[in-house]
Amino acid sequence: QKEVEQDPGPLSVPEGAIVSLNCTYSNSAFQYFMWYRQYSRKGPELLMYTYSSGNKEDGRFTAQVDKSSKYISLFIRDSQPSDSATYLCAIGILNDMRFGAGTRLTVKP
Amino acid sequence: DAGITQSPRHKVTETGTPVTLRCHQTENHRYMYWYRQDPGHGLRLIHYSYGVKDTDKGEVSDGYSVSRSKTEDFLLTLESATSSQTSVYFCAISERTSGGLLQETQYFGPGTRLLVL
Repeated sequence: QKEVEQDPGPLSVPEGAIVSLNCTYSNSAFQYFMWYRQYSRKGPELLMYTYSSGNKEDGRFTAQVDKSSKYISLFIRDSQPSDSATYLCAIGILNDMRFGAGTRLTVKP
Repeated sequence: DAGITQSPRHKVTETGTPVTLRCHQTENHRYMYWYRQDPGHGLRLIHYSYGVKDTDKGEVSDGYSVSRSKTEDFLLTLESATSSQTSVYFCAISERTSGGLLQETQYFGPGTRLLVL
């Protein structure tokens, strides 16, 4: 079993929909939680990061961490075609971040 | 890409040949990382550096070595390339504190696509 599991998708939604992306992890020692967006043939781009349970909001993006369930989520409100990309979760400790395999999202106009 | 460049961006090589990939940063960040990205596996850490001449192994270090002689440069070497090392390689950098807050946010370069025939 991988230490970080991510729904592989692919996920296709209409423009304006709310998107929910999720990851689970197995190691309770993990304390850093991040989401990256990766466009095709580009490097991952940091979207959100948090170090505690609860919600963190940044514009149309909300990151949610539930340490008791070892579950993290990324919500995208009012999704746009420009949000079409692969989303990677990253969970871990210093110098040992584990990445999910990524969820490919397509937002259709 | 947060002041990170990687070279070459694409490389085709033959099994058994040595290959060196270069990561260069202009951010003066202390920490640098090499990852490989493969379908179904996500990003996996190969090696990382926490300062000049200070390096350590990651999750998938076998067959790879690294060197860091200057803050801005981190080299990844495949001593004898194998087909299983065909992958996309990403360099990342991070700085541990921001406003006193300990963090582990990593910023990635554009990647190097390596094909080993």
